[in-house]
Amino acid sequence: AQKVTQAQTEISVVEKEDVTLDCVYETRDTTYYLFWYKQPPSGELVFLIRRNSFDEQNEISGRYSWNFQKSTSSFNFTITASQVVDSAVYFCALSEANSGNTPLVFGKGTRLSVIA
Amino acid sequence: DSGVTQTPKHLITATGQRVTLRCSPRSGDLSVYWYQQSLDQGLQFLIQYYNGEERAKGNILERFSAQQFPDLHSELNLSSLELGDSALYFCASSVSLDASGNTIYFGEGSWLTVV
Repeated sequence: AQKVTQAQTEISVVEKEDVTLDCVYETRDTTYYLFWYKQPPSGELVFLIRRNSFDEQNEISGRYSWNFQKSTSSFNFTITASQVVDSAVYFCALSEANSGNTPLVFGKGTRLSVIA
Repeated sequence: DSGVTQTPKHLITATGQRVTLRCSPRSGDLSVYWYQQSLDQGLQFLIQYYNGEERAKGNILERFSAQQFPDLHSELNLSSLELGDSALYFCASSVSLDASGNTIYFGEGSWLTVV
């Protein structure tokens, strides 16, 4: 069965520090997709990235970068030079190609607090 | 703005009552998903509809039901409400049936408080 683990419940950093949010997943499928979503204090879920299981190339988008490693079943998210506006709960999610009854499975989330 | 619209944004109701949450998917999206976010259970998948038909079911209680109408908007009906049903209910949409190959965009959610 598919499972996503975000071991870090809460992280607190000082502004301008770099921070990495960990995500470990479990799946039996060879074809699957990994996602990151951001949930700011206002509550909405904001899509950040989708990555398929055949593309292990790391991705960078501005201050955000993602490190996908199939060997360790991890899809970690790094924010460089963090800002107060980055304070939010971040969710990692998994979708298997043969997802059956659960299209998208989420981890418990990591609450990031960036202090000025 | 994700393009997914949910109403109402906030709702307070009493135990035993029934409420309906409404969702309009992004233009062109045929799949609609409902998720429940509670403090203890996290984000839980409830149900998916594709072009009017139920296609996947998660941990949805029998007291809850949903449907997707011909204009593709969806409604989630919650009945015989209990205190434990208090949560943030998300609607999401994607273009096709298969969630894995598509980005699923979420609405802003409907905050339900049962008192």
